[in-house]
Amino acid sequence: SAVISQKPSRDICQRGTSLTIQCQVDSQVTMMFWYRQQPGQSLTLIATANQGSEATYESGFVIDKFPISRPNLTFSTLTVSNMSPEDSSIYLCSGADVGKQFFGPGTRLTVL
Amino acid sequence: DAKTTQPPSMDCAEGRAANLPCNHSTISGNEYVYWYRQIHSQGPQYIIHGLKNNETNEMASLIITEDRKSSTLILPHATLRDTAVYYCIVRVAESFGNEKLTFGTGTRLTIIP
Repeated sequence: SAVISQKPSRDICQRGTSLTIQCQVDSQVTMMFWYRQQPGQSLTLIATANQGSEATYESGFVIDKFPISRPNLTFSTLTVSNMSPEDSSIYLCSGADVGKQFFGPGTRLTVL
Repeated sequence: DAKTTQPPSMDCAEGRAANLPCNHSTISGNEYVYWYRQIHSQGPQYIIHGLKNNETNEMASLIITEDRKSSTLILPHATLRDTAVYYCIVRVAESFGNEKLTFGTGTRLTIIP
């Protein structure tokens, strides 16, 4: 199974600023994803991070708000832009190969 | 992907078998049943998946009914560390490009000492 790490593990940010979250996988994976988990809620998929091309966003999520990069098969970043308190959530990345998906520990973001 | 229905919460005594049900009456023939769990403050963890035959691994057993409209995840000897939210997810698997997961609300399992 793949081991996934995320940086930072948590952060407190001011509204209007941006935060970039890094996701590192210890082995090459075919697919990488970014999810959001709002307080007390289940996980919601934000986008699929595509290597070398633009991410594929789910309904309700846009590139201007959540730009994503994936320069290679083991690394991806998610930026939360122009933050507001409603963006306070846990952000999780995952890596997947055919059949299974593995998750990072999450980044707990609080926006004041 | 087919929709799943799970009870919102369950309790189980430590050392007993925990049986978590999941209904997926609209499942298609090429859709698998996946189980993940999320322990507090951690990312989800893969447990097991199956198509139509019962499956067992070191963590759990998965029992799928013959009509595939429901399944049960069994943790044979529950420990306090099994306290978590358990998600039953139905999706097409083992097919490139179909790996994204749709999480429902899951079952919050509490193991009682």
